[in-house]
Amino acid sequence: AIQMTQSPSSFSASTGDRVAITCRATQAISSYLAWYQQKPGKAPKLLIYGASILQSGVPSRFNGSGSGTDFTLTISCLQSEDFATYYCQQYYTYPPTFGGGTNVDFK
Amino acid sequence: QVQLQESGPGLVKPSETLSLTCTVSGGSMSSFYWSWIRQSPGTGVDWIGYVFYTGSTTYNPSFRSRVSVSVDTSKSQFFLKLSAVTAADTAVYFCARGRHHDSGPVYDFWGQGTLVTVSS
Repeated sequence: AIQMTQSPSSFSASTGDRVAITCRATQAISSYLAWYQQKPGKAPKLLIYGASILQSGVPSRFNGSGSGTDFTLTISCLQSEDFATYYCQQYYTYPPTFGGGTNVDFK
Repeated sequence: QVQLQESGPGLVKPSETLSLTCTVSGGSMSSFYWSWIRQSPGTGVDWIGYVFYTGSTTYNPSFRSRVSVSVDTSKSQFFLKLSAVTAADTAVYFCARGRHHDSGPVYDFWGQGTLVTVSS
């Protein structure tokens, strides 16, 4: 199975910050990558798929980039509701696999 | 708005079979991949398997010998059975709708999750 590694595993930020989370695959996955946001006690929410396609209803401050093995999720201006854990998921091949998560908390 | 809701026992004994139901409302089951995904502090987020609305299935090799996923479109439900459970199967189990994008599914609607604990 393809392994997905996210970095950092956690960090602190402030409202208004520009933040970036990276995700690396153990083999090339083209652009078959999704990003999810999860808040405590809730299910993950799809933010981006196809590495850069914004899911309907997701604010434009979320941006995804990358292809091959290296991907980035950028939040351009962090809002209070963005403090959460973010996961990447590859769907290039079965089984789909998820990264270990990046927790963004309040500085 | 599509909604999914898991149901089933929250406590299962070791070596027994974990059985969960996911009830779908607000949309058709056609053309989607109905999936089970679990999350635990120890193993992170693990994809278990899916059933297509036609009944065809694909499973994670890590679970293949123990897992069965099925669907009843007439009731808008799909099901998970995981046999011979151990404490390592203790996790929050989510059902989710997979929408096909190019190479595979992305998960656009999820249930709230249900905690299943394996303990005697």
